[in-house]
Amino acid sequence: EAQVTQNPRYLITVTGKKLTVTCSQNMNHEYMSWYRQDPGLGLRQIYYSMNVEVTDKGDVPEGYKVSRKEKRNFPLILESPSPNQTSLYFCASSGTYSTDTQYFGPGTRLTVL
Amino acid sequence: LAKTTQPISMDSYEGQEVNITCSHNNIATNDYITWYQQFPSQGPRFIIQGYKTKVTNEVASLFIPADRKSSTLSLPRVSLSDTAVYYCLVGLHASGGSYIPTFGRGTSLIVHP
Repeated sequence: EAQVTQNPRYLITVTGKKLTVTCSQNMNHEYMSWYRQDPGLGLRQIYYSMNVEVTDKGDVPEGYKVSRKEKRNFPLILESPSPNQTSLYFCASSGTYSTDTQYFGPGTRLTVL
Repeated sequence: LAKTTQPISMDSYEGQEVNITCSHNNIATNDYITWYQQFPSQGPRFIIQGYKTKVTNEVASLFIPADRKSSTLSLPRVSLSDTAVYYCLVGLHASGGSYIPTFGRGTSLIVHP
């Protein structure tokens, strides 16, 4: 089954404690991205990757890191989480371009205390 | 980067046709227009995509005028299960030729019995 998986689905942590949210896709997609969703603000892109070892900032990259060492995986790293990073995070992948149909993961709800 | 603009919310009743319009004044020549549907706590799901004129699939129609500065998603005979947030997405060129997709804030559609 074609899918995008994220782990964990729920995470409660404390300020400053490094964390990683994993994302994996099994569709051999080149393009992957991370979004955060906050009430009233819609979906905002954090980082994206157009292929292995190629990443770039989206609209709201501050406080986040990503890596793309393999085509299927695109982890999101919060080196020192802060309460304003409490949000619902989605990973997505698509064939080649951002305007290709994007397939979204189930979401990770993160709470930073 | 230019943003898409959609109505924040709409109300309808079962069996009615619903039209949601999205404005995207700075759409690039080779950008496609894509609409997604999102239920609470789930990732967005692809509905329909088009480039110009009209596209129809089993769930919706998409109308795009000649200037492509707007698009209208049409949902025929909505049911309660169509209650969701609908996002209009266009891929926009950033400086350097990269693509950063921009979701609008979405339109919250509520279908009443």
